[in-house]
Amino acid sequence: AQSVSQHNHHVILSEAASLELGCNYSYGGTVNLFWYVQYPGQHLQLLLKYFSGDPLVKGIKGFEAEFIKSKFSFNLRKPSVQWSDTAEYFCAVNGHGNQFYFGTGTSLTVIP
Amino acid sequence: DAGVTQSPTHLIKTRGQHVTLRCSPISGHKSVSWYQQVLGQGPQFIFQYYEKEERGRGNFPDRFSARQFPNYSSELNVNALLLGDSALYLCASSLEGDTEAFFGQGTRLTVV
Repeated sequence: AQSVSQHNHHVILSEAASLELGCNYSYGGTVNLFWYVQYPGQHLQLLLKYFSGDPLVKGIKGFEAEFIKSKFSFNLRKPSVQWSDTAEYFCAVNGHGNQFYFGTGTSLTVIP
Repeated sequence: DAGVTQSPTHLIKTRGQHVTLRCSPISGHKSVSWYQQVLGQGPQFIFQYYEKEERGRGNFPDRFSARQFPNYSSELNVNALLLGDSALYLCASSLEGDTEAFFGQGTRLTVV
């Protein structure tokens, strides 16, 4: 069965601090991996995605993620967070039929 | 460009009632999926439809049903509502063969 685990449920950082959010997945076949962000009052938006190739992928707003196949991980990183990064972050896998399986989410609060 | 639109945005129903939620995909998108997001959790896959046919179903009871119309819009129906059905219901659309999904803002259903 497909599953996604996000280790950090709530993260609080000061502006300019570095961010790393953990994500591990379990899936029996070829996976596509995603990070979505949900800003307060807004819809889910795609941050970045990995299908194949270079395991280090870059997304919008300075975010990047690294796919480590041996660890079944797809951690999200940002070198320096801003107050505007305050949001809920979801890791997801996408397998058969374009059906997404999400983690429980990480709430990020950035303090100015 | 219009994104994925969902209606209504908020809804309050009583236990035992029936509810219909509606979704209009992005123009040109033929695949529509439904997700349930309970407070504090990630979205959970309910259904996927493509060209009016069900392509996938998540682990939800038969009280949940859906359909897709010739114009690719979709309805999610829930019968015999329970308190536990209170959640944000998300619709996502995508192009066939494209693994990226675009999400609507959701319908917030409260069952009292």
